[in-house]
Amino acid sequence: SQTIHQWPATLVQPVGSPLSLECTVEGTSNPNLYWYRQAAGRGLQLLFYSVGIGQISSEVPQNLSASRPQDRQFILSSKKLLLSDSGFYLCAWSRTAFTEAFFGQGTRLTVV
Amino acid sequence: KNEVEQSPQNLTAQEGEFITINCSYSVGISALHWLQQHPGGGIVSLFMLSSGKKKHGRLIATINIQEKHSSLHITASHPRDSAVYICAYHSGGGADGLTFGKGTHLIIQP
Repeated sequence: SQTIHQWPATLVQPVGSPLSLECTVEGTSNPNLYWYRQAAGRGLQLLFYSVGIGQISSEVPQNLSASRPQDRQFILSSKKLLLSDSGFYLCAWSRTAFTEAFFGQGTRLTVV
Repeated sequence: KNEVEQSPQNLTAQEGEFITINCSYSVGISALHWLQQHPGGGIVSLFMLSSGKKKHGRLIATINIQEKHSSLHITASHPRDSAVYICAYHSGGGADGLTFGKGTHLIIQP
């Protein structure tokens, strides 16, 4: 069966510090991978998606970047966090763009 | 403007009541998802549908493609159904992800 792991679950970081959130998928190969963010009082917003190793598409200009160094690994990074980066970050995968999506447990990031 | 509108935003009901959550969207879509988000934040996919109706246990999801509208129904609601229910769609333009509604916060009181 397929599983998705996302860590850490919670994170408190000072403004200006770097960020690295990791997501891995098990039990499938060549998944579509996604990073979403849910800011307070707002719906989930797509940040990045990837259809293969090294292939990253960005939906929203921001202070963040994503990388896919391995087939089932998706990393969300920032060199210098801003207060506005606070939110709930979710990783997700799907076999194709038109199939069911599976979500990680999320990371609640607070930038102080 | 959010392209997915959900109603109501908040709903409190008594155990056993029939629950309906509505979702309207403004663009052509290839599939619509209903998701459940529990207080800890984790999200579970409930349904993915592109036409008609799907049923899973006490949950029923319907979609009318022509009217760009979908509904999620919960029969015989239970306190464990308390969660945020999110409607999201995929527009079919490629591998890009889902567009989400803001969610409906449902509380079922015993």
